[in-house]
Amino acid sequence: KAGVTQTPRYLIKTRGQQVTLSCSPISGHRSVSWYQQTPGQGLQFLFEYFSETQRNKGNFPGRFSGRQFSNSRSEMNVSTLELGDSALYLCASSLGRERGKLFFGSGTQLSVL
Amino acid sequence: GQQLNQSPQSMFIQEGEDVSMNCTSSSIFNTWLWYKQDPGEGPVLLIALYKAGELTSNGRLTAQFGITRKDSFLNISASIPSDVGIYFCAGQETYNNNDMRFGAGTRLTVKP
Repeated sequence: KAGVTQTPRYLIKTRGQQVTLSCSPISGHRSVSWYQQTPGQGLQFLFEYFSETQRNKGNFPGRFSGRQFSNSRSEMNVSTLELGDSALYLCASSLGRERGKLFFGSGTQLSVL
Repeated sequence: GQQLNQSPQSMFIQEGEDVSMNCTSSSIFNTWLWYKQDPGEGPVLLIALYKAGELTSNGRLTAQFGITRKDSFLNISASIPSDVGIYFCAGQETYNNNDMRFGAGTRLTVKP
């Protein structure tokens, strides 16, 4: 069974631009969560989607948004990029029934210059 | 910011030694999990705990869900070089969502 796939692996953007990150969950997984990982703040929850609906949202500004498609694939968008948005963005999928059991992708390393 | 206090921040041990790390929270959690992250990869689930007092093993790893539901610990016995990495505790207050909070991680170095 293929794991969680995130694309692209690396991304370099400049301030003010916007970016879209993609995540393909494990086949059969209906829940997709997004996390931001930085050396200073660690892993922080962004949002979770289940069956195309945002089920929960972390404490991030509205510049961070996401969506989920009918095939469970998910995208995350960050608009008006700031230097502080530089981070590893991790996507995780789960069946949605087994509480907390997340399967993470390798992440997208975003650098904002 | 994070709600979980994980300690120690880092550990340098000799191969064969046992390791212990723990996590405490300011609120009650219904789920405790332990993940390991290797460089350039996402975290990988090691152990999931769902009941207060639960003790679960996965090979040389053993984790426990604290009785107060505000703490958890992870033990690694007879460490080997491939145990190197960052270990994260994670906790969840709700039952339905995957809005977990993560500890800051324990960076483990194992000297052969």
